[in-house]
Amino acid sequence: DAGVTQSPTHLIKTRGQQVTLRCSPISGHKSVSWYQQVLGQGPQFIFQYYEKEERGRGNFPDRFSARQFPNYSSELNVNALLLGDSALYLCASSLDVSTNTEAFFGQGTRLTVV
Amino acid sequence: AQKITQTQPGMFVQEKEAVTLDCTYDTSDQSYGLFWYKQPSSGEMIFLIYQGSYDEQNATEGRYSLNFQKARKSANLVISASQLGDSAMYFCAMSYYGNNRLAFGKGNQVVVIP
Repeated sequence: DAGVTQSPTHLIKTRGQQVTLRCSPISGHKSVSWYQQVLGQGPQFIFQYYEKEERGRGNFPDRFSARQFPNYSSELNVNALLLGDSALYLCASSLDVSTNTEAFFGQGTRLTVV
Repeated sequence: AQKITQTQPGMFVQEKEAVTLDCTYDTSDQSYGLFWYKQPSSGEMIFLIYQGSYDEQNATEGRYSLNFQKARKSANLVISASQLGDSAMYFCAMSYYGNNRLAFGKGNQVVVIP
């Protein structure tokens, strides 16, 4: 079975532009979560979706948005990019959203804003 | 707010020796989960081990064991018989708000030397 796949793997954007990152969860997984990992830090929670509904949102500005599709894949959109948005964006999928449910991570999308 | 603390500086470990990575957490939740992930330079977060807040026995997964001391809010990872492939960043994380969104610590860098 394929693991969590993210695209693209690397991306360079200019300040003020918009970006869309994509994530395909493991087959059978209904939850997708997004994390931002700035260099030298641990990942920070951005969004969680389960069965196409938003289940949680971290402390990020409204420039960040996401959605989950009927096939459970997900997109993360960031508008009006800032230099500080440069980071590794990680997608995690899980069967459900119970406290003890393991999250499987993709390899991430490395976004550089110049 | 949930907080995970990992304060050890980067560590050099001799191959075949054991290493302990410290993690303390802060939460007012009664039900939570504690996770350890490994992140090699490729960026993917690899799940290592899980401990539930109500589990009375320490979790073990192959060469990984978790030393869970609930009263001290401590969840240290022990890697036995270190291998060169264990060189990576290690993150302690906690699930919170009754679901599996994760709060991460800043990580510990481990370098295994032959």
